[in-house]
Formats: sequence, C-alpha cells, structure tokens
Amino acid sequence: DIQMTQSPSSMSASVGDRVTITCRASQGISNYLAWLQQKPGKAPKSLIYGASSLQSGVPSKFSGSGSGTDFTLTISSLQPEDFATYYCQQYNSSPYTFGQGTKLEIK
Amino acid sequence: EVQLVESGGGLVQPGGSLRLSCAASGFTFSSYAMNWVRQTPGKGLEWVSAITDSGGATYYADSVKGRFTISRDNSKNTVDLQMSSLRADDTAIYYCVRVRSSFYDYWGQGTRVTVSS
Repeated sequence: DIQMTQSPSSMSASVGDRVTITCRASQGISNYLAWLQQKPGKAPKSLIYGASSLQSGVPSKFSGSGSGTDFTLTISSLQPEDFATYYCQQYNSSPYTFGQGTKLEIK
Repeated sequence: EVQLVESGGGLVQPGGSLRLSCAASGFTFSSYAMNWVRQTPGKGLEWVSAITDSGGATYYADSVKGRFTISRDNSKNTVDLQMSSLRADDTAIYYCVRVRSSFYDYWGQGTRVTVSS
C-alpha cells in the first residue's frame, strides 16, 4: 500500500495568515492526489483533486501543487472557518490511502 | 444538490451483523461508482469497499474481505454495506462516498458503528 505522510501534524496560525501543508507519498502517484477538509463532528469535504484542481464551490484561497511524490496545500488569508483538519489522499492505486491529517488551529 | 445519507449504524456485539445503507439523490446514481470509507481516531481514514456503477464489480479492503458485502440498487438509488462477524476494530464512523474519475467528490454525513459487548 502507498503510505501518505503529512507535515506538520498540527500547526497554529492567525487569521489572515497564509499557510502551507505538505504531503509526501511513499511512491510516485503522478497527480492523483486529493485534499480534504474536516471540521469537528462533520464529514470530510473534498477541496482539491488532481493535485491542483478545485472542487466545485471551493474558494480560490485554496490551492494545491505537486506531482510524483511531493505535494502541497496552500491556504491564503486564513479565516475562522478555515481552522480544521486537512487530509491528503492518493487515488493512483488501490487501496486508496490517506494521510494522517494536519490539524490547523487558531493562534 | 448531491446528497448522500447513511443509516443503519448502531451498537452491536462482537460477532454480530449490521447493514448500513446510503440513500443518494441529486444526481444520476447509476452513472457513478460508490465507495464506503471509515474513520477511527486511531487509524484515521480507511477505504473499506467499492462498487462499480453497474454493480458488476466489487472490491474490499483486506481487513474486511470475507466479512463485508457491498451492493447497490440503481432503481432505488441506494448502496448498502452488509457487515458480519464484526470485531471491536470495526468500530468507526462509516461514510458513503461518490466517486468521479476515481476521485471522492462527495461524502455523506456518516453513520457510527460501535462493536462492543
């Protein structure tokens, strides 16, 4: 199975900040990488697919990049509603696997 | 609006069975593969099972193979997960997920399964 490793596991930031989360795959996955957002007590929500394409309805403050094994999610101008846990997921090969999550907290 | 609504979760004893159901609306259900994904505090998000749009092929994680069965009814827009021989480590929130070009684009709200005596 492909292992997905996110860093950091948690971080704190202030409203208005720009933050970057990193995801590394244990083997190359081309651009078959998605990013999810999960708020406490809620289901995950898809943000980005194909490493850099925004899911419908997702604001452009979210952006993704990378290919192969190294990927990033960048969130610009953080707002209170952006504080959540973010997961990366590879869908290059079965079984599809997820990172352990990055918890983004308010500083 | 795409909606996925899971039901059927609850408390079950080890060795018992439970059937989860997911009701889909807001899209042409028969055109999409569907998956079940579960989440636990310890293991995080884990893919459980998949079924193709026609229901002609099904797939399972090694951890549930032989114990879980996925099925769908395209006339009723539902996808089910029959779970048997349940173990404590099957305790999780189970999500129904729509698949678009291999990507999980919509998630249900989840249903909680607790396996405990």
